[in-house]
Amino acid sequence: EVQLVESGGGLVQPGRSLRLSCAASGFTFDDYAMHWVRQGPGRGLEWVSGISWNDVIIGYADSVKGRFTISRDNAKNSLYLQMNSLRAEDTALYYCAKDNGHTSNWEGVFDYWGQGTVVTVSS
Amino acid sequence: EIVMTQSPATLSVSPGERATLSCRASQSVSSNLAWYQQKPGQAPRLLMYGASTRATGIPARFSGSGSGTEFTLTISSLQSEDFAVYYCQQYNIWPKYTFGQGTKLEIK
Repeated sequence: EVQLVESGGGLVQPGRSLRLSCAASGFTFDDYAMHWVRQGPGRGLEWVSGISWNDVIIGYADSVKGRFTISRDNAKNSLYLQMNSLRAEDTALYYCAKDNGHTSNWEGVFDYWGQGTVVTVSS
Repeated sequence: EIVMTQSPATLSVSPGERATLSCRASQSVSSNLAWYQQKPGQAPRLLMYGASTRATGIPARFSGSGSGTEFTLTISSLQSEDFAVYYCQQYNIWPKYTFGQGTKLEIK
């Protein structure tokens, strides 16, 4: 059974940093691209960042580019999101999501999601 | 950025009836369109990708159609567990994946 468990969320002041983690199990982690998707309070879904199985391809939404860094540790079956210079508009539930495509054929379709971790940016 | 527009914002349908949800892209996304279902307090669940391919375990009453800029998700006979919020998502442009704002399917 595929499981994705996020952690690291919390309350942080504007301008500060936070690091999110996602522990994956139930599938061959290093065969799949992974993503972060967020959902602001009462709002829809926003793709944040994605990383290929081998770290070669990384992308960010314009809203977080230059402030957030995605990474992965295939030996630990873990995905990370380093969030710097946080803003109030970054307040959201952050989901870790597995890509539907295998290795080089990643798709940008999210077939499994974690339950999310809440990030609140407020003074 | 490709803007995805879903309609209607809220759809009221009786159990057993058909529901038709629409999604429009501001420019062509070919068939690179996915649908997700989200219930309160839960993570989204993948229903459809490639505009018309059902994800693993999704019942046959769910069907998708369209290509280019116009897409439809149809639920042929609504069950109680189908009442939820539905999102479309385009994945045609990397790294500019975007979601629609959602359609809430509620019981009439």
